[in-house]
Amino acid sequence: AQSVTQLGSHVSVSEGALVLLRCNYSSSVPPYLFWYVQYPNQGLQLLLKYTTGATLVKGINGFEAEFKKSETSFHLTKPSAHMSDAAEYFCAVHTTSGTYKYIFGTGTRLKVLA
Amino acid sequence: ETGVTQSPTHLIKTRGQQVTLRCSSQSGHNTVSWYQQALGQGPQFIFQYYREEENGRGNFPPRFSGLQFPNYSSELNVNALELDDSALYLCASSLEGLGTEAFFGQGTRLTVV
Repeated sequence: AQSVTQLGSHVSVSEGALVLLRCNYSSSVPPYLFWYVQYPNQGLQLLLKYTTGATLVKGINGFEAEFKKSETSFHLTKPSAHMSDAAEYFCAVHTTSGTYKYIFGTGTRLKVLA
Repeated sequence: ETGVTQSPTHLIKTRGQQVTLRCSSQSGHNTVSWYQQALGQGPQFIFQYYREEENGRGNFPPRFSGLQFPNYSSELNVNALELDDSALYLCASSLEGLGTEAFFGQGTRLTVV
């Protein structure tokens, strides 16, 4: 079965500092991986996705993630945090057997300190 | 902002009652999925509809049911509400296929008292 694990339910960074949100996956087949962001009282918005091809994926709002098969990781990074980045971030895998559905991690709440 | 709209945005129901949540898909999308997001958790897959047929189901009891209409809008029905059904319910529309992006609505916050 496919799954994702997000390390750290809460992460705090100072404005301007590097953002690193961790996601590890488990999959016996090449995974399709996504990062979504959820602002308060809103639905989920796609930040970026990895399907095939280039392992460094660039997304919206300056975020990027690198697919590392050897480490089974898909960590999300942003060089310089902005106050508007404060939100909850979810890593997800798109299942490749049966129904094509997302399996989400438990989320990481990012707090940006002034 | 996505083209997926959900109604209502908030709802309070009493244990044992029934509830219907609605979702209008993004234009051109033939697949609708519903997710339950409990407080502090990631979304959990409830079921998916593709061209008006249920196309897969997560680990939810039969009192969770749904419909998809010819215009690809959808409903989620929950019977015999329990306190643990209190959650944010998210609708996601997409094209059918592996690796496709899902567009989420803003959700319906259901509180069962």
